[in-house]
Amino acid sequence: AQSVAQPEDQVNVAEGNPLTVKCTYSVSGNPYLFWYVQYPNRGLQFLLKYITGDNLVKGSYGFEAEFNKSQTSFHLKKPSALVSDSALYFCAVRDQGDSNYQLIWGAGTKLIIKP
Amino acid sequence: ETGVTQTPRHLVMGMTNKKSLKCEQHLGHNAMYWYKQSAKKPLELMFVYNFKEQTENNSVPSRFSPECPNSSHLFLHLHTLQPEDSALYLCASSQDTRATNEKLFFGSGTQLSVL
Repeated sequence: AQSVAQPEDQVNVAEGNPLTVKCTYSVSGNPYLFWYVQYPNRGLQFLLKYITGDNLVKGSYGFEAEFNKSQTSFHLKKPSALVSDSALYFCAVRDQGDSNYQLIWGAGTKLIIKP
Repeated sequence: ETGVTQTPRHLVMGMTNKKSLKCEQHLGHNAMYWYKQSAKKPLELMFVYNFKEQTENNSVPSRFSPECPNSSHLFLHLHTLQPEDSALYLCASSQDTRATNEKLFFGSGTQLSVL
């Protein structure tokens, strides 16, 4: 069965420090992987996606994510956190070969950046 | 501004009321989605329309009734809801459900409280 795990409900990081939000997935074939961010009282916004090719994907607001096929992971990273990065982050996956186009979502990770 | 507008932003209703949620997208997309977001849970896909045709109904109770009069507008009609239906209801759009590596554009959601 397809699934996504975000093992941390909450991540706390001091401003200026690097941050990592973890995501692991399970699909039968090759994945399409996505990260979305949700700021307070807003809908989700697309951050970045992995389709194929380079394992390091760069996205909006200085975020990047690394696709690791052997570890079935797609962790979100940023070298230096800002207070404004505080938000809820969702990882999602879709099996490239699956005719079912539905995204499988993680439960979200709350990122808190402290000044 | 993502190009997807939802109204109302907040809604409080009793269990015997009838209300409707509205979603409008200005992106020229052909696919529209209703999601339910509950705290600390993955997003739940409720309904999908592609080119105005309903293509997905994920075992949603009949007290939720979608309507898609054209590719730009999506409604969710609510009647005799239960308190456990209280959640954030998100509308999203994409170019086409068959473009499975494309991102979703979300509205800001309707925060629904059922008393």
